[in-house]
Amino acid sequence: GENVEQHPSTLSVQEGDSAVIKCTYSDSASNYFPWYKQELGKRPQLIIDIRSNVGEKKDQRIAVTLNKTAKHFSLHITETQPEDSAVYFCAATGNQFYFGTGTSLTVIP
Amino acid sequence: EAQVTQNPRYLITVTGKKLTVTCSQNMNHEYMSWYRQDPGLGLRQIYYSMNVEVTDKGDVPEGYKVSRKEKRNFPLILESPSPNQTSLYFCASSLGTSGHSTDTQYFGPGTRLTVL
Repeated sequence: GENVEQHPSTLSVQEGDSAVIKCTYSDSASNYFPWYKQELGKRPQLIIDIRSNVGEKKDQRIAVTLNKTAKHFSLHITETQPEDSAVYFCAATGNQFYFGTGTSLTVIP
Repeated sequence: EAQVTQNPRYLITVTGKKLTVTCSQNMNHEYMSWYRQDPGLGLRQIYYSMNVEVTDKGDVPEGYKVSRKEKRNFPLILESPSPNQTSLYFCASSLGTSGHSTDTQYFGPGTRLTVL
């Protein structure tokens, strides 16, 4: 089956700096790559996603890039704010969802 | 309001006592799924269903059963719970266009299960 690896597991940045989280996957048949944000005690919520026919997608301060050849995709958050502090999960999917193990992001005011 | 609901939200039970966690969505979604979340392991898919009467095993199906008799409901059944099934469980649904899962997935609020 698919194997998704996510790095780093923890990340601390100063407010206003950028944060980058990277994921790799193993199954070239995976064709959808969502990113979820999970605040403490809450459910995961989709923040951005990318499909395999697209190389980059941006939504305000959040962007995702996908390199199908290298089988990796990354989440970029610019101008970080304290409310960005949360755990972020990447996932790769065809029919079945495979999640990374999460990155705990702390934005220091 | 479009939503995924789960019940119960919290459950403490004992080894071997059968239990069911219900999941319901009101968005007419075809794709539904169950996950368990454990510290350091992220979310792992237990079972998924691409439509009524169609269910498939995810990454960690052992010890669990599901059914999809109606489009809106996807209950998770633990026939004989064991302590290693203590976890946080999430149900999720997505549109499931053309039989694929490549749509925004909406999660329920979670069920925290403790098996003693």
